[in-house]
Amino acid sequence: EDKVVQSPLSLVVHEGDTVTLNCSYEVTNFRSLLWYKQEKKAPTFLFMLTSSGIEKKSGRLSSILDKKELFSILNITATQTGDSAVYLCAVTNSNSGYALNFGKGTSLLVTP
Amino acid sequence: GAGVSQTPSNKVTEKGKYVELRCDPISGHTALYWYRQSLGQGPEFLIYFQGTGAADDSGLPNDRFFAVRPEGSVSTLKIQRTERGDSAVYLCASSFSGGSSTDTQYFGPGTRLTVL
Repeated sequence: EDKVVQSPLSLVVHEGDTVTLNCSYEVTNFRSLLWYKQEKKAPTFLFMLTSSGIEKKSGRLSSILDKKELFSILNITATQTGDSAVYLCAVTNSNSGYALNFGKGTSLLVTP
Repeated sequence: GAGVSQTPSNKVTEKGKYVELRCDPISGHTALYWYRQSLGQGPEFLIYFQGTGAADDSGLPNDRFFAVRPEGSVSTLKIQRTERGDSAVYLCASSFSGGSSTDTQYFGPGTRLTVL
């Protein structure tokens, strides 16, 4: 059974800090890893990663995948209070490439 | 353009009642998914539609749960004889084609179901 473990489960930082969120996985026939940001209810898409070592970047957020060590990190630099959210990591496999298998998420709180 | 919409946003019902939750996907998206998210957990996959047909319903917890998408657009998740353990946020997502390695799922705001 596919497994996704995120750490830490929760984190409190001050505005301006840099944070690193971790996602490790065990997947049969890995296909992709995705990061979502969830504020209130709807998860919003951040990144999809399929290849090792290629950084994806969007503004202050970036992410990278290591398919050898089976993990991904999500970095947020110069954090703002608007970054406060639950960050979800999900994986897909080639057998059922559509079904997202999510971790429990990391709850990030950025204080002023 | 409009995103995925779900109605109602909140639903409170009594144990044993029947409920229907509606999802309106992004226009042009052929793939539609239902997930369930319990408190403190990530979303769990329930069912995947490609067009009008349920391509994979392996995540439905039991036969009290059923979903339809008769015209390949709007979908309804139906729960019979609700139980308190069904209380959760039910999320719907859609994607352009479903199944390709670059296909991205976009989520709606969810329906918070509370069974008393």
